[in-house]
Amino acid sequence: EVHLVESGGGLVQPGKSLRLSCAASGFIFDNYALHWVRQIPGKGLEWVAGLNWNSGNIGYADSVKGRFTISRDNVKNSLFLQMNSLRAEDSALYYCVKDVNGDYETGRFESWGQGSLVTVSS
Amino acid sequence: DIQMTQSPSSLSASVGDSVTISCRTSQSIDTFLNWYQQKPGKAPKFLIYAASRLQTGVPSRFSGSGSGTDFTLTISSLQPEDFATYYCQQSYSPPLTFGLGTKVEIK
Repeated sequence: EVHLVESGGGLVQPGKSLRLSCAASGFIFDNYALHWVRQIPGKGLEWVAGLNWNSGNIGYADSVKGRFTISRDNVKNSLFLQMNSLRAEDSALYYCVKDVNGDYETGRFESWGQGSLVTVSS
Repeated sequence: DIQMTQSPSSLSASVGDSVTISCRTSQSIDTFLNWYQQKPGKAPKFLIYAASRLQTGVPSRFSGSGSGTDFTLTISSLQPEDFATYYCQQSYSPPLTFGLGTKVEIK
C-alpha cells in the first residue's frame, strides 16, 4: 500500500523559509513522478510543483516559480519542497502526491498524503 | 495556462438520484481530463482519468465523458458515501490546473 507522510509544516513569518518533506513507502519510489499540491482550508486545489522520477524534468506553478524548489532523494525515498520568501497567500495544506508513472507531465494524481499545514503570518 | 470552469458550484440531491457535474476548459485538451472526490478532512481521491476511464476500485455508478473542451462526471444512483466535493483537473499541459469544485450535498 502506498504511504506518503508529509512533515515540516508550521507557522512562519512572511519573507521567511520553510522546507517540507514527504516520506514515501509501499512502491518503487524511483519509478514515479511526484508532485506537491496545496489547498487553502475550505477552498480548492492548486498544483504547486512536480518532478520526474530522475529529477530530469521539473515544473512549477507561476505563483511559486522562483521562490519554491522541489527535489527528491531516490535513496531515502523522500520528496522535498523548499519554500523561500513566503507570503500570506502561501498559507495552505500541502499534499505530497504520487503520479501514475515517471513523467510528471502525465499529471494524474493517483495517491495522496494527508498533508502538512503551512501558515504564513506575523 | 488552461482555465477550468466547473458547474454547478454546489448541488443538492437525494440518495438514489443521478447527478451530472460539468467541467469546461479554456482550450481543447483532447481527453486529458481527470476527476477527484474529496470528503471533509480527507485528501482527494483519484476517480477517473482520460475523461472516462475509472480508476481501479471506483464503483461503476461513476462515469465520465467528453473530449475537447466539455466534460461531464455522472453519478448514477447516489449513495450516502458519494456526498463530497468533486474536482476536475487537466493533464494536457503544465501548469496542471483544477476546477474550483462542485459540492454534492444531501437534500
